Amino acid sequence: DAKTTQPNSMESNEEEPVHLPCNHSTISGTDYIHWYRQLPSQGPEYVIHGLTSNVNNRMASLAIAEDRKSSTLILHRATLRDAAVYYCIQGGNYGQNFVFGPGTRLSVLP
Amino acid sequence: NAGVMQNPRHLVRRRGQEARLRCSPMKGHSHVYWYRQLPEEGLKFMVYLQKENIIDESGMPKERFSAEFPKEGPSILRIQQVVRGDSAAYFCASSPRIGGNYEQYFGPGTRLTVT
Repeated sequence: DAKTTQPNSMESNEEEPVHLPCNHSTISGTDYIHWYRQLPSQGPEYVIHGLTSNVNNRMASLAIAEDRKSSTLILHRATLRDAAVYYCIQGGNYGQNFVFGPGTRLSVLP
Repeated sequence: NAGVMQNPRHLVRRRGQEARLRCSPMKGHSHVYWYRQLPEEGLKFMVYLQKENIIDESGMPKERFSAEFPKEGPSILRIQQVVRGDSAAYFCASSPRIGGNYEQYFGPGTRLTVT
């Protein structure tokens, strides 16, 4: 079973910011938080990951709560190409396998 | 640097036949993972391999499924005597090292249809 919980679906308007929440209340001190997304008929695509500090890259930002029991993926300006299923994954120190939950299906409205 | 490559992209097999799915990891990656995604469901881990070794096969069905990652060549996921329930998308991923700090890079998947 997935160790994280996410809303089933979210909607956003194009060019507006999107905040995708994730709860990971059982996270241990060495578990990283990974985000992937999957566009229709494609393999998952890496988005971002972090441990304690907030992280930024060209795709998104990751805000991690101080107690690390939750995090938020931030897409600063949603585009139609961002419509996908977003998975939040709690990755163990060995990281041998990711446990994917159902994810959040993001719809972006023009 | 080419990404993770999988072939074939689509595979149709009749019940009882064998399916062989290939995965070439990214250059320099020695860790390969296989996942299965049933229609309208999330990905489920099947097996994790390093070169010539199966490290974790806890998600692999006990019968008919096997995987290998030889010293040379791609990783192979083999399904013997396929049944309709094996119809799914099979994804492989690779990473340069193990550890939570390393992302996995996924291939485009092989869509298996059993008729």
